[in-house]
Amino acid sequence: GDSVTQMEGPVTLSEEAFLTINCTYTATGYPSLFWYVQYPGEGLQLLLKATKADDKGSNKGFEATYRKETTSFHLEKGSVQVSDSAVYFCALMNQAGTALIFGKGTTLSVSS
Amino acid sequence: GAGVSQSPSNKVTEKGKDVELRCDPISGHTALYWYRQSLGQGLEFLIYFQGNSAPDKSGLPSDRFSAERTGGSVSTLTIQRTQQEDSAVYLCASSLGVSADTQYFGPGTRLTVL
Repeated sequence: GDSVTQMEGPVTLSEEAFLTINCTYTATGYPSLFWYVQYPGEGLQLLLKATKADDKGSNKGFEATYRKETTSFHLEKGSVQVSDSAVYFCALMNQAGTALIFGKGTTLSVSS
Repeated sequence: GAGVSQSPSNKVTEKGKDVELRCDPISGHTALYWYRQSLGQGLEFLIYFQGNSAPDKSGLPSDRFSAERTGGSVSTLTIQRTQQEDSAVYLCASSLGVSADTQYFGPGTRLTVL
């Protein structure tokens, strides 16, 4: 079945460091891909998405490119801030379009 | 309303009791989803509604779990004869349609089964 694998955390970085959180997927066809973020004490919110191969999603300085050759959707940011500390979830939409399939989540902690 | 709302925010119950969790989606959103977030299992899909019908119930873990949606709006997730392994945060989301439409999540209901 469909699945998402993302790197285990926690990831601990200093402010202004470069961030990469790896995400790979297994699915039938070419699903839409998403990154969701959960800030401390808050609900899940969409960070960015890509709906077809080679699309790049971007938001708040974060980027991810849909790579069908490597079935990957890695999240990157050039310079992280303390306020980026959160749990990040990679997800895909199932083929029926009825459910998001999530990875386990990666906790990011940024210190000043 | 401005966003997806869920009630109660916290629910503590005794093993064997029934519980009802409520979700009020964003006005005009035809699609509604229930997910469960637990330490051991991460985020799991439970059920999807389009309007009042539920074409995908594949994520419901047992027949103790059921959900309904009335008037194309509010949804209720019911867990009968709760077990300790049902303890989790239950999340509701809604979207305008399906597929790549953004799902907007509510704050969740934290269920603790003693």
